[in-house]
Amino acid sequence: QVQLVESGGGVVQPGTSLRLTCEASGFTLSSYAVHWIRQAPGKRLEWVTVISFRGGYQKYAESARGRFTISRDNSKNTVSLQMNSLRPEDTAVYYCARRPEGNSFDLWGQGTMVIVSS
Amino acid sequence: DIQMTQSPSSLSASVGDRVTITCRASQAVSNYLAWFQQKPGKAPKSLIYAASSLQSGVPSKFRGSGSGTDFTLTITSLQPDDFATYFCLQYSSYPFTFGPGTKVDFK
Repeated sequence: QVQLVESGGGVVQPGTSLRLTCEASGFTLSSYAVHWIRQAPGKRLEWVTVISFRGGYQKYAESARGRFTISRDNSKNTVSLQMNSLRPEDTAVYYCARRPEGNSFDLWGQGTMVIVSS
Repeated sequence: DIQMTQSPSSLSASVGDRVTITCRASQAVSNYLAWFQQKPGKAPKSLIYAASSLQSGVPSKFRGSGSGTDFTLTITSLQPDDFATYFCLQYSSYPFTFGPGTKVDFK
C-alpha cells in the first residue's frame, strides 16, 4: 500500500525538542522531494519546509528557520524533522507530503500531533 | 509572501448541486495552483494540480480553471462524500501558501 506515515508527535514543554519521522511504504521515497506542512487548531495549513530528493537542498518557512532541521535517509525510506526550541505556537498537526516533479503534493501522511505546553 | 484568499468561506448545498469555489493570489502564480479536499481529522486529498490537471484517480466531476491570480474549482453533481472543506495552494514560490478553506456542507 502506497502511504506516508508520520510519527514522533507528543506533548512537550516550551523550549524543548522533538523529532518527527515520515516513513514511506509501497514506493521509493528517494524519488521525491518531501515537504512538511502543519495545521494549528482552527487555522489554515502552513508550509514548513522541504528537502530535495537527494537531500542537497532544503528550504524553511520563516517560523521554522534556525530552529527546525529537515533531513532524509533514503536507505531507510524516511524523512525527519528535528524541531528545537519549541514554542506554544508550534502546536499543530504536522503532515509530511511528497511532491513529484511537475505536480503538487500528491500524497500526504495522516499527520502527527505536536502540543507545546507548560 | 504570496497571500491566498478564497470565497466563499462556506456554502450550503444539496446533493446534485453544482458548486464553484474561487481562489485568488496576491500576485501571479502562473498555473502553480492546486486544490485539495479535507475531511475532519483526515489528511488532505489532492484533487487538482497545475490549476486544471486532475490528480490520478480523481473523478472528472472536479474541474479546475484559471491562471495568474484567479482560479476556480467547480464540483458538479455534488454527492454526500463531497461535503468537506476545500482549499487551494500556490506552489509558484517559497514559502508555499494555502488558502483558508471553503467548507461545503448540507443545505
